[in-house]
Amino acid sequence: GIQVEQSPPDLILQEGANSTLRCNFSDSVNNLQWFHQNPWGQLINLFYIPSGTKQNGRLSATTVATERYSLLYISSSQTTDSGVYFCAVRRYSSASKIIFGSGTRLSIRP
Amino acid sequence: DTGVSQDPRHKITKRGQNVTFRCDPISEHNRLYWYRQTLGQGPEFLTYFQNEAQLEKSRLLSDRFSAERPKGSFSTLEIQRTEQGDSAMYLCASSLGHTGEETQYFGPGTRLLVL
Repeated sequence: GIQVEQSPPDLILQEGANSTLRCNFSDSVNNLQWFHQNPWGQLINLFYIPSGTKQNGRLSATTVATERYSLLYISSSQTTDSGVYFCAVRRYSSASKIIFGSGTRLSIRP
Repeated sequence: DTGVSQDPRHKITKRGQNVTFRCDPISEHNRLYWYRQTLGQGPEFLTYFQNEAQLEKSRLLSDRFSAERPKGSFSTLEIQRTEQGDSAMYLCASSLGHTGEETQYFGPGTRLLVL
C-alpha cells in the first residue's frame, strides 16, 4: 500500500517562530489533507490540497504532486498551535480511505 | 450544520463485554468512515459506507467488529467480546463523495478503555 512519511516527528519551538512540516508519499494521490489534532483528540481540517498552494491566515500549504510531497508552513507560532499535525492521502485507485502519516508533534513554548 | 457527532465520548468496559458506538455524520454527507487511533499513531482505516452500503473493510476489522448504517444516515460500530488490545480512540468521519473535492470531516471520537 501507499506509504506516508512525515518529518520531523517532533518539533519544539519558541512562540513567534516559523516552522515547516513535510509529508512524503510513495504513490500518486487524488486527495491530500492536513489536519491538526488538538489535546482533546479532535482532528481539525486545515487544508484539502492534492496539488498547488493554499493559504489560511498564518498557515499555508504546498503540494508538489509530481514529486510526491507536501509542506505545511506555520508562521509566527502561538501556543495554541501545539498538537499533532497529520498528513493524510488517498491513492488514485482508491475510492475511499485516506492513509495517515504518523504525524509531527509540535510544541510551542511561551 | 453541526458537524460529525459521536456517542459516547468515553467508554470503560471489562474484557469480554460488548460495546456499541454511534456516529451521526454531517446531514447531507453520503460517505461515512470509521478509523481507529492508538497512542502515538495516526488514525487507521476500519471501514467505509456509501449511503447504506458497506463498500470496504480493513483487515483490521476482525469478525468481532461489525458496523452498520441502516438508513444511510447514522452508523453504529459494535465490538463483541472486547479485548485489551481494542483500547483505542474510535473516530468517525463523513464526506460528500460525488464532488471533485472530497474533504473528510472528523467527529470528536470515542475513547475506549478495556480493563
